[in-house]
Amino acid sequence: DIQMTQSPSSLSASVGDRVSITCRASQNIITYLNWYQQKPGEAPKLLIYAASALQGGVPSRFSGSGSRTDFTLTITSLQPEDFATYYCQQSFAFPRTFGQGTKVEIK
Amino acid sequence: EVPLVESGGGLVQPGGSLRLSCAASGFTFTDYSMTWIRQAPGKGLEWVANINRDGSEAHYVASVQGRLTISRDNARNSLFLQMSSLRVEDTATYYCAREDYWIARAHNLHFLDVWGKGTTVTVSS
Repeated sequence: DIQMTQSPSSLSASVGDRVSITCRASQNIITYLNWYQQKPGEAPKLLIYAASALQGGVPSRFSGSGSRTDFTLTITSLQPEDFATYYCQQSFAFPRTFGQGTKVEIK
Repeated sequence: EVPLVESGGGLVQPGGSLRLSCAASGFTFTDYSMTWIRQAPGKGLEWVANINRDGSEAHYVASVQGRLTISRDNARNSLFLQMSSLRVEDTATYYCAREDYWIARAHNLHFLDVWGKGTTVTVSS
């Protein structure tokens, strides 16, 4: 199975900060990489697919980059509603594994 | 109208069985592969199983292979997860999700774009 490793596992940031979360795949997954946001008590929500494509309705402060094994989710100006847990997921092969998550907390 | 609604969760003893359902609406069910994902209490997301559009092909994570079975009824716009030989570690919220894809440079890039709210399964004696 392809292992997905996110870093950091958690971070504290302030409103307005630029935040970056990285995701590393255990093998080349080209750009088969998605990012999801999950708030407590809610289902996950798709933010970015194919490494860099913004899902409809998602604010443009979210962006994704990377290819092969190294990927980054960036939030350019953190808003109060962005405090949540973020997951990467590879869709290159079955099982379509998730990273362990990165919790973004208020500083 | 909520596109995906899960049901069937509950409390079951270890070794027991349960059948989860996911009712789809508002989109053409047969156009999409479907996926189950679970989340143990306080833990991260775990991809569980996927079934293709006509139900002819399914894939599983190793930890559930042989115990959980994904299926679908396209006439009823429904997805199922038959769970047997349940273990304490199967305790989780189970989400169904629609899998769409985007074609780029001959690659079919899949992603989960619509999720249900989840149903909770507790395996305990």
